[in-house]
Order: sequence, then structure tokens, then C-alpha cells
Amino acid sequence: GDSVTQMEGPVTLSEEAFLTINCTYTATGYPSLFWYVQYPGEGLQLLLKATKADDKGSNKGFEATYRKETTSFHLEKGSVQVSDSAVYFCALIATSGTYKYIFGTGTRLKVLA
Amino acid sequence: DTGVSQDPRHKITKRGQNVTFRCDPISEHNRLYWYRQTLGQGPEFLTYFQNEAQLEKSRLLSDRFSAERPKGSFSTLEIQRTEQGDSAMYLCASSWTGYKEKLFFGSGTQLSVL
Repeated sequence: GDSVTQMEGPVTLSEEAFLTINCTYTATGYPSLFWYVQYPGEGLQLLLKATKADDKGSNKGFEATYRKETTSFHLEKGSVQVSDSAVYFCALIATSGTYKYIFGTGTRLKVLA
Repeated sequence: DTGVSQDPRHKITKRGQNVTFRCDPISEHNRLYWYRQTLGQGPEFLTYFQNEAQLEKSRLLSDRFSAERPKGSFSTLEIQRTEQGDSAMYLCASSWTGYKEKLFFGSGTQLSVL
């Protein structure tokens, strides 16, 4: 079935460092891809999305490009801030005629001042 | 937009007891989802509704779990004869019809089974 695999954390970076969190997926058809973020003490919220191959989602300085050839949707940010410390979840919406969203296990990011 | 509301925020129960959680989605949203999340893991799909119809239920879900969404508004998730392995955060999310529409999550109900 459809699935999402993302790199294990935690990822610890200094402020202004470059961030990459890897995400790959397995799906039949053409899924839509998402990154959700969970800040400490808060619920999950959508960070960005891409709905077709080669689309780039972006928000708050974060970007991710839908790569069909490598089945990847890696999250990047050029200069992280302490306020970016959170857990990041890669997700897809299944393509088998259902509206079920499938999430990865999450990657915790800690940014040090 | 008042957001997705879940009640209670925390529930402590003894093994073998029944528990029920409530979710109030964003009012115009017709899809409602239940997920379960344990520490260090991502949300695990349990079930979802479109309006009042339960369209899919996880094959991993025990028969002890049941969910309803009467009249297509709020939803309840009941766990019968709770077990310690049921301890988790139970998340509700809602969305509007649109194949690739985003989910709005509630803050969750943290269940602890003693």
C-alpha cells in the first residue's frame, strides 16, 4: 500500500544553518504531497503542499519539490531560526479512490541560538 | 473559523473501562478524520467520514473501537474495554471536499490507560 518514509531525527542545527529533511514515498498513481509541522504544545498544521510532479510548495521560507522520478519530497530551508524548532511530518493523500492521508513518523528539529 | 475542537483534552481510565471522545469539526467541513498518535510516531489513520457516512476504517482497528458522526456534524470515538496499549493521543481533523484539500487538526485527546 501507499507509504511515507522520512529521515529519523532529531536533527540539531545552529541558527542560520541550512536544513534538509528527507522524505520519500511509495504510491500508485499520482498522490498529492504535504509537509505538516507540529510546534511544541500545538496541533499539527499544514506547512506546504504540492499536487503534481515538479510542483514546488513553499511557505515561511521552507520549500519542497515533488520529484516523481525519485519519489521524493524533501523539505529545505536556507536559514533556520530558533522558532523553527518543531516536529515535521511528511504526508501524502492516498490515490486508491480514498481520501485517507498517510503520515510519516516525523522528524524533530532543534535549532540552537 | 473556530477551529477543530476536541473534548476532553485528557482522559485517565482504568483498564477494562469504556471511554468516549468527542470532536467538533469546522462547521462547513464535510470530511472528518480520526487518527492516533503515540510518542515519537506520526499520526496513524483510524477512520474517516464524509458527512454522516463512515467511508473507511483501518484494518488495524480493533472491534473495540467505534466511531459515529450523526447528522454529519460532530463525531464521537468510543473505545470499549480499554487496554494499556490504547494509551495514545487521539487526533481529530476535518477538511472540505476537495481531493487535495488540507486537514485542520484539533489539539487531541490524550488517553492514559492504567
